[in-house]
Amino acid sequence: AQTVTQSQPEMSVQEAETVTLSCTYDTSESNYYLFWYKQPPSRQMILVIRQEAYKQQNATENRFSVNFQKAAKSFSLKISDSQLGDTAMYFCAFNNNDMRFGAGTRLTVKP
Amino acid sequence: DSGVTQTPKHLITATGQRVTLRCSPRSGDLSVYWYQQSLDQGLQFLIQYYNGEERAKGNILERFSAQQFPDLHSELNLSSLELGDSALYFCASSVGRGLDTQYFGPGTRLTVL
Repeated sequence: AQTVTQSQPEMSVQEAETVTLSCTYDTSESNYYLFWYKQPPSRQMILVIRQEAYKQQNATENRFSVNFQKAAKSFSLKISDSQLGDTAMYFCAFNNNDMRFGAGTRLTVKP
Repeated sequence: DSGVTQTPKHLITATGQRVTLRCSPRSGDLSVYWYQQSLDQGLQFLIQYYNGEERAKGNILERFSAQQFPDLHSELNLSSLELGDSALYFCASSVGRGLDTQYFGPGTRLTVL
């Protein structure tokens, strides 16, 4: 069964600094999607970034980028120039026709 | 705004009661997924419908049921409610059967007293 592991329950970063959230997954499949979702205090689940496994190029969305290491089954999220509004729970997710979520990392951006 | 709508936003009810949560997917999406998130917990997948038919089932209790209607909106029915059913219930939608991106609605916060 596919599993998703986020080994950092909580992290903090100073405003304007860079932070990296870790995620590893376990699968024997070769075709899948990976996601990072953000859940701010409002509890809305917001898609941050998506990576298709067949793409070698790492996805980027403005200040958010990923480091996708397919052989190592690692999918980390880098947030550059952190802003107070980035304070949220971040969930890593794996989808191979069966979406699995990690337990989440609570990120606090400090002024 | 993801384009997925859920009603109601909040629901307060008593133990033993029955409630219905409603979800309208994004325009063009055929799949609807239901998730449960208890306080400070991760997301538990409940059930998926694709174009009106049940496609996948997760950790859904027998007291819970769902359906997807011809206009593709979906309803999640929760009956014989218990205190432990208090949670945030999310609906998500996607274009295809599964290997694609899920977009989440704002959720319905259920409180069972």
